[in-house]
Amino acid sequence: GDSVTQMEGPVTLSEEAFLTINCTYTATGYPSLFWYVQYPGEGLQLLLKATKADDKGSNKGFEATYRKETTSFHLEKGSVQVSDSAVYFCALQGTNAGKSTFGDGTTLTVKP
Amino acid sequence: DGGITQSPKYLFRKEGQNVTLSCEQNLNHDAMYWYRQDPGQGLRLIYYSQIVNDFQKGDIAEGYSVSREKKESFPLTVTSAQKNPTAFYLCASSIRERSGELFFGEGSRLTVL
Repeated sequence: GDSVTQMEGPVTLSEEAFLTINCTYTATGYPSLFWYVQYPGEGLQLLLKATKADDKGSNKGFEATYRKETTSFHLEKGSVQVSDSAVYFCALQGTNAGKSTFGDGTTLTVKP
Repeated sequence: DGGITQSPKYLFRKEGQNVTLSCEQNLNHDAMYWYRQDPGQGLRLIYYSQIVNDFQKGDIAEGYSVSREKKESFPLTVTSAQKNPTAFYLCASSIRERSGELFFGEGSRLTVL
């Protein structure tokens, strides 16, 4: 079945540091890939997405590129802020009807 | 503003009691979902519904029940048969099945005393 593996956390960075959170997936066919962000005590919100190979999703300074050859969708940001502190989830929607598959989440803490 | 409303935000239950979590959406989405989130773990799918009066079990449906009598509403009942119900429950919707992007509510935290 489909699966998503995320870099284990927690990740702690200083403000303005470079961020990478690794995500790899296993799926049949051509899944759509997503990054969601969850702030404390809240639900998830979509951060960015990519629907086909070599697409780059971007939003709020975050980027991720759909790499089919390495089955990866790593999240990057050039300069993190304290307000980026949250839990980040990589997810895919594959061929299984109605199902999205999520990674375990990576907790990011950014210190001033 | 369009969105998904979950209630209550916090709920305490005694063992052996059933509880129902509410989920309402005004996005006119066809598909709705319930997920369970435990600390340090990803989201696990409990039930989902693609259209009114139809729903399917997800990966961890045992001990839960749902209904979909209206497009806007998808309540989840946590029954006494659920062995470990303390968790954070998230309701989500999407325009239709397989449309990809999910829209989430703010969650309901259930604690069994």
